[in-house]
Amino acid sequence: GAGVSQTPSNKVTEKGKYVELRCDPISGHTALYWYRQSLGQGPEFLIYFQGTGAADDSGLPNDRFFAVRPEGSVSTLKIQRTERGDSAVYLCASSFGLATLDTQYFGPGTRLTVL
Amino acid sequence: LAKTTQPISMDSYEGQEVNITCSHNNIATNDYITWYQQFPSQGPRFIIQGYKTKVTNEVASLFIPADRKSSTLSLPRVSLSDTAVYYCLVGGSARQLTFGSGTQLTVLP
Repeated sequence: GAGVSQTPSNKVTEKGKYVELRCDPISGHTALYWYRQSLGQGPEFLIYFQGTGAADDSGLPNDRFFAVRPEGSVSTLKIQRTERGDSAVYLCASSFGLATLDTQYFGPGTRLTVL
Repeated sequence: LAKTTQPISMDSYEGQEVNITCSHNNIATNDYITWYQQFPSQGPRFIIQGYKTKVTNEVASLFIPADRKSSTLSLPRVSLSDTAVYYCLVGGSARQLTFGSGTQLTVLP
């Protein structure tokens, strides 16, 4: 079966613009996670969903960042009024459930560049 | 969440066994130890997970001493394609993964 997919693979935008990043999790996975990775650093947690609801959004840096998962499958990360500091690779992961041993499977990421 | 410390980088040659050690002095009773591998322009990939003693799968072995304050990822007979960043994570019921900066492993011919 297919793994986690993310679109677009690359996104270049101008400061102040709005962007949407999409994540398609592995079919049947109920949990979905968003991370952000800056150059030379490990991924940093942003938010995760169990089903349609955001179970923990404590990693979102500010209110310009928002994520939805309306039907419990595909998720969209939305960034308003982008800033140059938002440039990073945005990673999505999914897992079958929320048990400790449920492995998170990552997508290839979306590289966001804010000019 | 327990903090982890691992070497910034390691070099090895093809065919050698590589051991990457991670320190996690403040590991909690319900924390598991998990290792991920990441290639450039890809997301992290799960390698192995354990709680105590030794775990082995088709890719690697994980050694955890009795005090669980450290762990060692062992990669047998590495090849050039094993060149990647390796992350050690500890966590329990909290679902968000906490990554450090990882260890850049470079396998030389």
